[in-house]
Amino acid sequence: AQSVTQLDSQVPVFEEAPVELRCNYSSSVSVYLFWYVQYPNQGLQLLLKYLSGSTLVKGINGFEAEFNKSQTSFHLRKPSVHISDTAEYFCAVSEGEWGAQKLVFGQGTRLTINP
Amino acid sequence: EAGVAQSPRYKIIEKRQSVAFWCNPISGHATLYWYQQILGQGPKLLIQFQNNGVVDDSQLPKDRFSAERLKGVDSTLKIQPAKLEDSAVYLCASSLDGLAGGTYEQYFGPGTRLTVT
Repeated sequence: AQSVTQLDSQVPVFEEAPVELRCNYSSSVSVYLFWYVQYPNQGLQLLLKYLSGSTLVKGINGFEAEFNKSQTSFHLRKPSVHISDTAEYFCAVSEGEWGAQKLVFGQGTRLTINP
Repeated sequence: EAGVAQSPRYKIIEKRQSVAFWCNPISGHATLYWYQQILGQGPKLLIQFQNNGVVDDSQLPKDRFSAERLKGVDSTLKIQPAKLEDSAVYLCASSLDGLAGGTYEQYFGPGTRLTVT
């Protein structure tokens, strides 16, 4: 079974600074990778996903992530954060047969933006 | 398009009582998921439906939890009797069937926050 490790439980940064949220997954033949964001008292919203092709994936709100197969990592980055980016971020890997995929989530990283 | 709907948004019950949660997925989505999210943790899959059939319920505590998806649309998740450790947010999600060209994206509802006292 797949597992996901988010290396930082909390990341505080100043507004307009760059940020990287780290994610490692257990190895598999092929993986589909996702980053979701959860704002307070809301459900999860997809930021971006890697299914195949280019290893640099661009998502919504200026976020991007790079799939690194050799390091089994899928780190999330943003060059300049805004107060509104304050939220919980979850990395997830999909496993299962085609048409019956399920997501395995990491523990989450709480991103706090300070003015 | 309308998103995934869940109700109630909040529920407080005493231990040993029963509770039910309701989910209405996005129209046309064949796959429906129930997740449990304990405070400070990532969501954990409880059960996955494909239309009205169960695909995966390996992590569902079947002695107290049950779920159904009659007619392959709405779903209910029930806990009976509840324990203190069931306090969590229960998230419902839906996705297109991968065989029909789905993009593996799951769409989440706002969740139901359950507090067991």
